[in-house]
Amino acid sequence: QSALTQPASVSGSPGQSITLSCTGTSSDVGGYNYVSWYQQHAGEAPKLMIYDVSNRPSGVSNRFSGSKSGDTASLTISGLQAEDEADYYCISYTSSSTLLFGGGTKLTVL
Amino acid sequence: QVQLQESGPGLVKSSETLSLTCTVSGDSINIYYWSWIRQPPGKGLEWIGYMYYSGSTTYNPSLKSRVTFSVDTSKNQFSLKLTSVTAADTAVYYCARGLFAFDVWGQGTMVTVSS
Repeated sequence: QSALTQPASVSGSPGQSITLSCTGTSSDVGGYNYVSWYQQHAGEAPKLMIYDVSNRPSGVSNRFSGSKSGDTASLTISGLQAEDEADYYCISYTSSSTLLFGGGTKLTVL
Repeated sequence: QVQLQESGPGLVKSSETLSLTCTVSGDSINIYYWSWIRQPPGKGLEWIGYMYYSGSTTYNPSLKSRVTFSVDTSKNQFSLKLTSVTAADTAVYYCARGLFAFDVWGQGTMVTVSS
């Protein structure tokens, strides 16, 4: 299984909105509404930001939102803040009953 | 609040077996699915597999021949064994709660495979 495709890096200025993409196939992202997103700051464990494509866990800022179109899931961060600078990973359930991570995107806040 | 804590040797010799345990506190292991995830230094996350307290398991196909999960409900712990390790298995290993999404994570434990 090849990893889901995420851009290696994305950057934005404070206050901007940015969208991170996560592209798979009809056997994973496109076939199930089980895509979740994680934020990982350096040296820390990942933190769940979005689950089931678009649901936000309690305590996660409403500046984070998720969506999906076809085989591509997206994480949008609005009102970008310095603290959002981190690595972001997507993961999807697959037709093999396994899970598959994306390669991760490094978000830089300029 | 639920907490997860990984434990096990930080150094394993090449060709030997890596064994880690995750201790769950603040909740019963008999409710959720539990997963293992790893991250090689400087690289991305890799899903290892998930298990249910009943013992049912699903593994990453790339690791399936070498990995075994087990659960000890009396101790509220679940474990990972990875055989025939190589340098490529050097990583931070995380345990986490969940099947389709992981809402609680352990802090992670670094395991280095030495030759």
